[in-house]
Amino acid sequence: EVQLLESGGGLVQPGGSLSLSCAASGFTFTSYGMSWVRQAPGKGLEWVSTISGSGGSTFFADSVSGRFTISRDTSKNTLYLHMHSLRAEDTAVYYCAKDLWEIGLGYHFDSWGQGTLVTVSS
Amino acid sequence: EIVLTQSPATLSLSPGERATLSCRASQSISTYLAWYQQKPGQAPRLLIYDASNRATGIPARFSGSGSETGFTLTISSLEPEDFAVYYCQQRSNWPKTFGQGTKVEIK
Repeated sequence: EVQLLESGGGLVQPGGSLSLSCAASGFTFTSYGMSWVRQAPGKGLEWVSTISGSGGSTFFADSVSGRFTISRDTSKNTLYLHMHSLRAEDTAVYYCAKDLWEIGLGYHFDSWGQGTLVTVSS
Repeated sequence: EIVLTQSPATLSLSPGERATLSCRASQSISTYLAWYQQKPGQAPRLLIYDASNRATGIPARFSGSGSETGFTLTISSLEPEDFAVYYCQQRSNWPKTFGQGTKVEIK
């Protein structure tokens, strides 16, 4: 059974930094692209970033490009999102999500974590 | 960026009724569209991928259709557990985008 468990959310001041983790199990971690998708309170879903199975390719939404980085540690089966220069509009529940297929990248997402809340406020 | 527009914003129906949700893309995305269901306090769940393929474990009352710019999610007979918010998502181009959601509520 695929399991994704996010951690690292919390309260951070505007301009601050925070790193999120997503521990994965139940599948071959290096075979699948992984993504972060966020949801602001009471709003819809917004794709944030995707990384390939090897970690060699990364993609970002314009809203976070240059401020967020994505990485993965294959020895720990863990996905990361490193967030810098945080803004109030980054406040959201952040979900990690697994690609549906081994081929392609950021296609459709068949498994999701429970989410971790990031609040950017002074 | 491909914009996905879902309609209606809210659908008020009774259990047993048929639900028809629409998703329109701002440009052609072939059949590269998925549907997700999200209940309050829960993560989204993949229902349909590539427009018409049910994901693993999804009941047959959920079906998807469409291509290019127009897509439909149909729930043939609403069960109590189907009242939720539904999102469409395209995989054709970066950035991967979602629709704004349709809430299916109990009438």
